[in-house]
Amino acid sequence: TQTVSQSDAHVTVFEGDSVELRCNYSYGGSIYLSWYIQHHGRGLQFLLKYYSGNPVVQGVNGFEAEFSKSDSSFHLRKASVHWSDSAVYFCAVSAAGYQNFYFGKGTSLTVIP
Amino acid sequence: EAAVTQSPRNKVTVTGGNVTLSCRQTNSHNYMYWYRQDTGHGLRLIHYSYGAGNLQIGDVPDGYKATRTTQEDFFLLLELASPSQTSLYFCASSDKLGEQYFGPGTRLTVL
Repeated sequence: TQTVSQSDAHVTVFEGDSVELRCNYSYGGSIYLSWYIQHHGRGLQFLLKYYSGNPVVQGVNGFEAEFSKSDSSFHLRKASVHWSDSAVYFCAVSAAGYQNFYFGKGTSLTVIP
Repeated sequence: EAAVTQSPRNKVTVTGGNVTLSCRQTNSHNYMYWYRQDTGHGLRLIHYSYGAGNLQIGDVPDGYKATRTTQEDFFLLLELASPSQTSLYFCASSDKLGEQYFGPGTRLTVL
């Protein structure tokens, strides 16, 4: 069974700051890692995913994530946040060849204008 | 863009009541999912399906039934609703490993 851990329940930054949201996983095999964003009162939206190749993947709106096998991590980053980035961010893992997804508990990002 | 719709958006019922939540996707995706979202738990998978007539059990299936009538439609059934099933329910569809597309959610309150 795969597990996903998002160590920070809440992160607060100022507009224009950079931010990193952490995600660690545990699974021994090949996996897909992905990030989703959930604005208040809305459904989750897919941001980006990684399976193989370049460990840094680009997503929408300037988000990127970096995979590290040695750290079992897939952290999400943005160089300069905007107030509209305030949302809850979920990391998810799914085993290659399977369509089950396991989600972390989410990190709530607050961007102060 | 992927389109997943859910109805109703809000539902209030009483303990022991019968509830059906509906989900429709127009993405031509094979996989559809039902999740519940609760504070402190994130998203938990209830049931999923890889095609009409198919049903797979998720991680928290107790008290829930589901049925996939067509490629587009996936229903979640609570035949004897309990207050512990008060939650925000999301439907999602997928056809690519690692990517899911979510509906707007249904908030269910069981009194």
